[in-house]
Amino acid sequence: QVHLVQSGAEVKKPGASVKVSCQASGYTFTDYYIHWVRQAPGQGFEWMGWINPSNGGTNVAVKFHGRVTMTRDTSISTAYMEVSGLTSDDTAVYYCARDEAVSGMADYWGQGTLVTVSS
Amino acid sequence: DIQITQSPSTLSASVGDRVTITCRATHSIGDWLAWYQQKPGKAPKVLIYRAFNLQRGVPSRFSGSGSGTEFTLTITSLQPDDFATYYCQHYTSFWTFGQGTRVEIK
Repeated sequence: QVHLVQSGAEVKKPGASVKVSCQASGYTFTDYYIHWVRQAPGQGFEWMGWINPSNGGTNVAVKFHGRVTMTRDTSISTAYMEVSGLTSDDTAVYYCARDEAVSGMADYWGQGTLVTVSS
Repeated sequence: DIQITQSPSTLSASVGDRVTITCRATHSIGDWLAWYQQKPGKAPKVLIYRAFNLQRGVPSRFSGSGSGTEFTLTITSLQPDDFATYYCQHYTSFWTFGQGTRVEIK
């Protein structure tokens, strides 16, 4: 069965960077885009962008241009998202999700990674 | 940009009630809308895709309808396991989510 397993919680200081990983299993990693979405405490979802694992192409939300980098390592079926210049506003749970393009939905999600930014 | 407005933000209901949640888009999005359920501390789970298609394994008391700019998620006969927060999502090359509806026990 399909699983997306994310890296563990992180605590960072303002100005630092964080890199979250999302390891896929149970399907061909290069067949489906991976999206990244975050959820601040008690808030809704904010879409951050996607990566095409097949060729490494990305589409990052305008809000995060220059601050978010998405990469992948196909040899270990893992997608990564790095956020730089962290502020307290970046404190959130970060999720990766598989894009089921034909059906138009995120059919599998990682368990989430809590990133806390605090001095 | 297309904006999605979800209502209500909170809904108080009892077990056995029929519940309706609405999402409205500022422009037509065809049927590119999905519905998710999220429980505290958990990742979202997809319930409905392409406006009215029930995802595998989701109970038939959940249904979706609508197209264009107005969409509805209906839960007939609310069950204890259904108390959660629900989100709609406009699916395209980028994703836009509704603000969420918390279904709480009356």
